[in-house]
Amino acid sequence: DTAVSQTPKYLVTQMGNDKSIKCEQNLGHDTMYWYKQDSKKFLKIMFSYNNKELIINETVPNRFSPKSPDKAHLNLHINSLELGDSAVYFCASSPYRVNEKLFFGSGTQLSVL
Amino acid sequence: DAKTTQPPSMDCAEGRAANLPCNHSTISGNEYVYWYRQIHSQGPQYIIHGLKNNETNEMASLIITEDRKSSTLILPHATLRDTAVYYCIVRAYTGTASKLTFGTGTRLQVTL
Repeated sequence: DTAVSQTPKYLVTQMGNDKSIKCEQNLGHDTMYWYKQDSKKFLKIMFSYNNKELIINETVPNRFSPKSPDKAHLNLHINSLELGDSAVYFCASSPYRVNEKLFFGSGTQLSVL
Repeated sequence: DAKTTQPPSMDCAEGRAANLPCNHSTISGNEYVYWYRQIHSQGPQYIIHGLKNNETNEMASLIITEDRKSSTLILPHATLRDTAVYYCIVRAYTGTASKLTFGTGTRLQVTL
């Protein structure tokens, strides 16, 4: 079983569209994250949720809206997609109040045309 | 969080030990050293972490100098599958959710 799974793996869409990426973890962790890796391969945190509560929001445009229906799921919805949103988006999870051992998903490659 | 400096790239022959250095001269007393790696097209993978003692697990060993200003990740018998970008991260344990900041890392190429 995959510990942290994301869907879809690839997403190609037009500018202006709205899209969602889904993430699920079966590790029983309390905390989930979204990271973005741009074309220069810099990996930056976007959001973090703990038990469905938003605890980290790193100055991400409000076109990006994370949603956590339960602590095992964290979805990312992006409105009005722009060319600059093209990147690889990684979901991750960790046990809360444990050190920085994050478990990452395999990523979603988003291409905005 | 303390800044880290890593060489941009390194080569290692398969079967040999790969020693990846990291400089963190401004590290604070409560900051841990973490190592992650990212194999092409995959999500980052946790390798090991430590505070001041040397650490070893099934993947690697972490050697931290006595003054804690630098550390070395050792892959004892590198294989082709260890070809990846290796990230050294320094972060205090805050008891709250992580804001791990990944730098540019070291691209390790393992060759035959």
